[in-house]
Amino acid sequence: DTEVTQTPKHLVMGMTNKKSLKCEQHMGHRAMYWYKQKAKKPPELMFVYSYEKLSINESVPSRFSPECPNSSLLNLHLHALQPEDSALYLCASSQVDLGLAGINEQFFGPGTRLTVL
Amino acid sequence: AQSVTQLGSHVSVSEGALVLLRCNYSSSVPPYLFWYVQYPNQGLQLLLKYTTGATLVKGINGFEAEFKKSETSFHLTKPSAHMSDAAEYFCAVSPRPGGGNKLTFGTGTQLKVEL
Repeated sequence: DTEVTQTPKHLVMGMTNKKSLKCEQHMGHRAMYWYKQKAKKPPELMFVYSYEKLSINESVPSRFSPECPNSSLLNLHLHALQPEDSALYLCASSQVDLGLAGINEQFFGPGTRLTVL
Repeated sequence: AQSVTQLGSHVSVSEGALVLLRCNYSSSVPPYLFWYVQYPNQGLQLLLKYTTGATLVKGINGFEAEFKKSETSFHLTKPSAHMSDAAEYFCAVSPRPGGGNKLTFGTGTQLKVEL
């Protein structure tokens, strides 16, 4: 199974709502990522989890709160978002970089299209 | 620090014509190199990758890319374009093992295929 799944596919929320995005993989990967992608732009890294611990936070506003409850799941909790946060949110997973030879390619999910009204 | 430059944000070709998408990287050590494709409203799909060994890499859907260290390039080609190739293409680099998992993307090239 080389698939990363994301739910929901689409999400519309108001600026006062609280919602969550979910990501799941069963490839045994211990690194998981959240990216934000605006239209016609490359993905921008938001967070990286390694062995279920947050290892990179790219100075993301606190209205985005990631969570990695186990090695297969990654959540992104959303609260008090702004219209400019509307984007495609992509999840990815890979092997952890252990400094060994071999590729640590990232596998991407289909994304959640988020619209903030 | 690593960076990726994709020349041409939009490329238009006729169906059956050669596809050439350009990618140049900047890195103190040759990185790992990737090409991803993104169809509208979808995630990124890996087309091909270069790590070590043979510099001509073959990927899915008839695409290939050649790593040229002297030119710091990793251009993507396909001999004959198909309408289904119309998509956004991203070149990306990551450090070699021990350098972390962080991918650095180019700005992307939108490929249009015309009849």
